[in-house]
Amino acid sequence: EAGVAQSPRYKIIEKRQSVAFWCNPISGHATLYWYQQILGQGPKLLIQFQNNGVVDDSQLPKDRFSAERLKGVDSTLKIQPAKLEDSAVYLCASSLDRQVNEKLFFGSGTQLSVL
Amino acid sequence: GQNIDQPTEMTATEGAIVQINCTYQTSGFNGLFWYQQHAGEAPTFLSYNVLDGLEEKGRFSSFLSRSKGYSYLLLKELQMKDSASYLCAVFYNQGGKLIFGQGTELSVKP
Repeated sequence: EAGVAQSPRYKIIEKRQSVAFWCNPISGHATLYWYQQILGQGPKLLIQFQNNGVVDDSQLPKDRFSAERLKGVDSTLKIQPAKLEDSAVYLCASSLDRQVNEKLFFGSGTQLSVL
Repeated sequence: GQNIDQPTEMTATEGAIVQINCTYQTSGFNGLFWYQQHAGEAPTFLSYNVLDGLEEKGRFSSFLSRSKGYSYLLLKELQMKDSASYLCAVFYNQGGKLIFGQGTELSVKP
């Protein structure tokens, strides 16, 4: 079974530039998550989708971050414009459904460096 | 808030046993996960607890006390490859969110 696919693996940009990350979840997984993980910290939930609808985006800095999952399958996360403090690993995860005991499967992440 | 607390780092010796503790806010609790994360890699699932008690899976065990808002991950017969970050994550029923602690960086030394 293929895992969660993310691209790019690494990205280096200057502050105020824009960047986009892509995620393709495991086939059949209805729930998709984007997490931000700053070095030395645990993953912080940015946004959660159930199919193509947003379940929770309370921690998403909406003035600069946006995400979509138009067809309920793959998803993109965009930052525009980027700030130095956005340097982190962006992890995408998916699960079968938004049930309590469904474990999340993570992609390898995109490591973003903002200079 | 939904504070999840675990020690920042721990050191143990190869072949020994180590216990990593996690405390969390009990309101809205609906399950607890432990994940392992090696440097530069994605988190991988280790265990899941929703009822009180001990869940054993090979060298790894996880314990939960819902009334105390407390869990621990027990690693036996430590190996060098167990050096990693161990993440405690709690499923809160409001919105079905999985919230992670900061992670415990475990170093296993010869």
